[in-house]
Amino acid sequence: GAVVSQHPSWVICKSGTSVKIECRSLDFQATTMFWYRQFPKQSLMLMATSNEGSKATYEQGVEKDKFLINHASLTLSTLTVTSAHPEDSSFYICSARDPKASPRSEQFFGPGTRLTVL
Amino acid sequence: DAKTTQPPSMDCAEGRAANLPCNHSTISGNEYVYWYRQIHSQGPQYIIHGLKNNETNEMASLIITEDRKSSTLILPHATLRDTAVYYCIVRVDGATNKLIFGTGTLLAVQP
Repeated sequence: GAVVSQHPSWVICKSGTSVKIECRSLDFQATTMFWYRQFPKQSLMLMATSNEGSKATYEQGVEKDKFLINHASLTLSTLTVTSAHPEDSSFYICSARDPKASPRSEQFFGPGTRLTVL
Repeated sequence: DAKTTQPPSMDCAEGRAANLPCNHSTISGNEYVYWYRQIHSQGPQYIIHGLKNNETNEMASLIITEDRKSSTLILPHATLRDTAVYYCIVRVDGATNKLIFGTGTLLAVQP
């Protein structure tokens, strides 16, 4: 199946700094990618939909100025956590769908990025 | 998208079939049932999906009741590597293709 990668797999940063997480579709072009956040022992929460060449669509309650999303190419979306604080520590996961497949095809998820803010 | 209800946890003996139920009593006629699983500290993995007919692939079988208000995911011969949280998701194939995850079922396969 299609492969989605994320980089880095884990990152530790100081409070107040910004962290960029990359999501790449390795063997297909994705016009749409999705970003999720998952706290310990909780389910995945959809944060935003990343659209190639246009602005991201954020879910209710997600601060767009806090979580900057850029989808500059058909294989890369980035999530930047700006001025990170300890409460932003979480597991961030992206997913993508191959637009050439049926609309009912599965989404492919990245392995996730563990962010720890000290 | 319709809401789903799953038991929070289940146990299964290794080598036996694991049957994971999901209730989706408010499902609409154009909504599909999807199953994903998430092994600890990894991204979710697609398992199977269906509309109204039973489906089978190399990973699992999906049995959807005739009224479509519930479904069961069957792992025919569970292994220790099948220990994961299993999510049942119901959604329309709209332009957004968003997946909204519920709480899922933690399946623990016991040796």
